[in-house]
Amino acid sequence: AQRVTQPEKLLSVFKGAPVELKCNYSYSGSPELFWYVQYSRQRLQLLLRHISRESIKGFTADLNKGETSFHLKKPFAQEEDSAMYYCALGISGSARQLTFGSGTQLTVLP
Amino acid sequence: DGGITQSPKYLFRKEGQNVTLSCEQNLNHDAMYWYRQDPGQGLRLIYYSQIVNDFQKGDIAEGYSVSREKKESFPLTVTSAQKNPTAFYLCASSMRTGTGVTDTQYFGPGTRLTVL
Repeated sequence: AQRVTQPEKLLSVFKGAPVELKCNYSYSGSPELFWYVQYSRQRLQLLLRHISRESIKGFTADLNKGETSFHLKKPFAQEEDSAMYYCALGISGSARQLTFGSGTQLTVLP
Repeated sequence: DGGITQSPKYLFRKEGQNVTLSCEQNLNHDAMYWYRQDPGQGLRLIYYSQIVNDFQKGDIAEGYSVSREKKESFPLTVTSAQKNPTAFYLCASSMRTGTGVTDTQYFGPGTRLTVL
């Protein structure tokens, strides 16, 4: 069965410092990985997906199949990055469900 | 924010009662989903539907039921059989692009259910 692990429930960094949110997955098929973000009082929304290979709000994530990881990185954290971040695994096939990790609450301190 | 609406925002229920959570979307999306969000556990899939009049159980379907009579609506009923129903419930929808990749899901604002 597929599984997504986010080892850090809480993560605090200072403004301007680099930030890395860890995500590991287990899945026997070809994975599709996503990061979703939920800012305070806002809806859960897609931040980025590995297929797009793009940078959103300064965040990047590289799929490492050897280490089964999809860590989210930003070189210089901003206070507005404070939010709950969820890593999600897409299951290929007709169902196209998402399996979510337990989330990491990021707080960027001034 | 438009697109996906959930009502009510807060819902209180007495033990032993069934309650129905509403989810409506005007995005013309084919697929709809219900998740339960608990602290420290992330989102867990309850039910999903890819087309009208068809739906499948997710990981934690016991004690829940759904219907999909219209493309834009996917109500969730929390029955008295659900042992621990107090939670935050999220509805989502996605367009079936048919590209072979997982479609982006768009989420509603959620309903917080409290059983008294």
